[in-house]
Amino acid sequence: DAKTTQPNSMESNEEEPVHLPCNHSTISGTDYIHWYRQLPSQGPEYVIHGLTSNVNNRMASLAIAEDRKSSTLILHRATLRDAAVYYCILRDDTAQGGSEKLVFGKGTKLTVNP
Amino acid sequence: ETGVTQTPRHLVMGMTNKKSLKCEQHLGHNAMYWYKQSAKKPLELMFVYNFKEQTENNSVPSRFSPECPNSSHLFLHLHTLQPEDSALYLCASSRDSPTGFYGYTFGSGTRLTVV
Repeated sequence: DAKTTQPNSMESNEEEPVHLPCNHSTISGTDYIHWYRQLPSQGPEYVIHGLTSNVNNRMASLAIAEDRKSSTLILHRATLRDAAVYYCILRDDTAQGGSEKLVFGKGTKLTVNP
Repeated sequence: ETGVTQTPRHLVMGMTNKKSLKCEQHLGHNAMYWYKQSAKKPLELMFVYNFKEQTENNSVPSRFSPECPNSSHLFLHLHTLQPEDSALYLCASSRDSPTGFYGYTFGSGTRLTVV
């Protein structure tokens, strides 16, 4: 499984943007970049994913470097509810047969200050 | 609710007990997973089922026994557990199709304490 590297923790202030970095220098051409987050006492939840182009959805934006060796999850206005552990995961979504597993690392613990 | 329901939410059991964890999804997903999350450790994948067939067992001790009677239900049968098995057990489901992958949906987990 291709590896990702994330900072252990980050802090932000409420209503300010947050940029969560992820390095994945050994990414292969068929690996998609997935982001999940885990709020306290809950299971992880899907945030966003992409392959090459930047992606936007109602939760966040994903900026992918041109060489794909790094990516950044952007929360445009952090709220207290965004305090969670954020996981950056690589997955080969093109594999046939299904159930290519998600392998979670330690993630980045985001603290949002009021 | 995420669409993946796990019961019970909390479970305390003795080392000689037998208990089962249940996971249910009605999202039309074909794959289901058990993960274990111990304190201050990353999620560890335990088992993978695809269309009711077990496709992965990550060297999990035999005191954990999964069962997948259909694509909507997944069980984890527990017997003679050890205190170090105390953890949050998470179930997830996903759908893989020729048109793409649509992400994992996790349940809220069962917090297991072995005494």
